[in-house]
Amino acid sequence: AQSVAQPEDQVNVAEGNPLTVKCTYSVSGNPYLFWYVQYPNRGLQFLLKYITGDNLVKGSYGFEAEFNKSQTSFHLKKPSALVSDSALYFCAVRDGYGGATNKLIFGTGTLLAVQP
Amino acid sequence: DTGVSQNPRHKITKRGQNVTFRCDPISEHNRLYWYRQTLGQGPEFLTYFQNEAQLEKSRLLSDRFSAERPKGSFSTLEIQRTEQGDSAMYLCASSPGAAGAFFGQGTRLTVV
Repeated sequence: AQSVAQPEDQVNVAEGNPLTVKCTYSVSGNPYLFWYVQYPNRGLQFLLKYITGDNLVKGSYGFEAEFNKSQTSFHLKKPSALVSDSALYFCAVRDGYGGATNKLIFGTGTLLAVQP
Repeated sequence: DTGVSQNPRHKITKRGQNVTFRCDPISEHNRLYWYRQTLGQGPEFLTYFQNEAQLEKSRLLSDRFSAERPKGSFSTLEIQRTEQGDSAMYLCASSPGAAGAFFGQGTRLTVV
């Protein structure tokens, strides 16, 4: 079964410093990987996805993620954190292949706290 | 606004009552999903529609839950005889194809 793990419940970083939010995955076949962000009492906002191609994926709000097949990781990164980046971040993997449900399997989330 | 729309945003109900939530997906997205999110957890899949056909239901979807998507447009999720354990955020998402989904703001249900 497809799964993702987010090993850190919370990440603290100072404004202006680089940030990394970790995600590892377990899939059979080629992974389709996603990052979403959730602000308090709001739905999920899509940040970026990896399907194929370049291992470094660029997304919304200056975020990027690096796909590493040998380490089965898909860590989210940003060169310079903003206080407004403080939110809950979810890594997800697509379940199944074309013609199937393609539902998303989510990790447990990582709370990012950016201190001014 | 052309995003996924969910109504109501918040619902407080007494245990045992029935509730119904509505989701309006992005126009022409043929795939629609319902997820449930409890505090401190990631969203969990409930059910999936392709056009008007409900093609998959999670085991989380007990007999008290029913979902419809008439004419392949908006969808409704009904919970009968609500229980306190049903308290959660219910999220709807739509997708045009296989690569990802766009989520609505969610409906937060509180059963008292």
